[in-house]
Amino acid sequence: DARVTQTPRDKVTEMGQEVTMRCQPILGHNTVFWYRQTMMQGLELLAYFRNRAPLDDSGMPKDRFSAEMPDATLATLKIQPSEPRDSAVYFCASGLEETQYFGPGTRLLVL
Amino acid sequence: QKEVEQNSGPLSVPEGAIASLNCTYSDRGSQSFFWYRQYSGKSPELIMFIYSNGDKEDGRFTAQLNKASQYVSLLIRDSQPSDSATYLCASRNSGNTPLVFGKGTRLSVIA
Repeated sequence: DARVTQTPRDKVTEMGQEVTMRCQPILGHNTVFWYRQTMMQGLELLAYFRNRAPLDDSGMPKDRFSAEMPDATLATLKIQPSEPRDSAVYFCASGLEETQYFGPGTRLLVL
Repeated sequence: QKEVEQNSGPLSVPEGAIASLNCTYSDRGSQSFFWYRQYSGKSPELIMFIYSNGDKEDGRFTAQLNKASQYVSLLIRDSQPSDSATYLCASRNSGNTPLVFGKGTRLSVIA
């Protein structure tokens, strides 16, 4: 049963700390997306990659967020330094052709 | 600004009834439309997608698309309490590109 995996599932940290979230896409999927979900804004795109190349990261605050895909089995999203307004659920999704499948998400709380 | 609009609900229907969920979109360049279901604390799960005008049926679910009116809907027949969730409508321009999500409609099926 192929699925997207994400770690950690929950993260509580203090303002100013670095946060790294990891995603393993479904094997064979060539496109990986990072979305953020909050009550106020809903689901928003942060960045996405195709064949490991970044295509759009316009949704990310560039000064503190970075996204990379060091190999086909790993995508990372890093926040440094974290701020309370970054508290949200961060979803990774992977896709091939029409469909996108979401991972379980990382619930981040920045105090 | 590409936008997808949904009534936040809650939409309450009795068990066995038809639930009708609606969505409008602003970008006429949108080609494909998706319905995801999200249970509280879980990740979005794809229900179905549609890209041609008209109806598309999958079990108890029917998606309807009217590109002239920029309107998408999801009908759930024989609603069950297990259908109680938030339903997210999303649009996409082409290929495997990022989805633009509405903020979701909360459905409650009353036994």
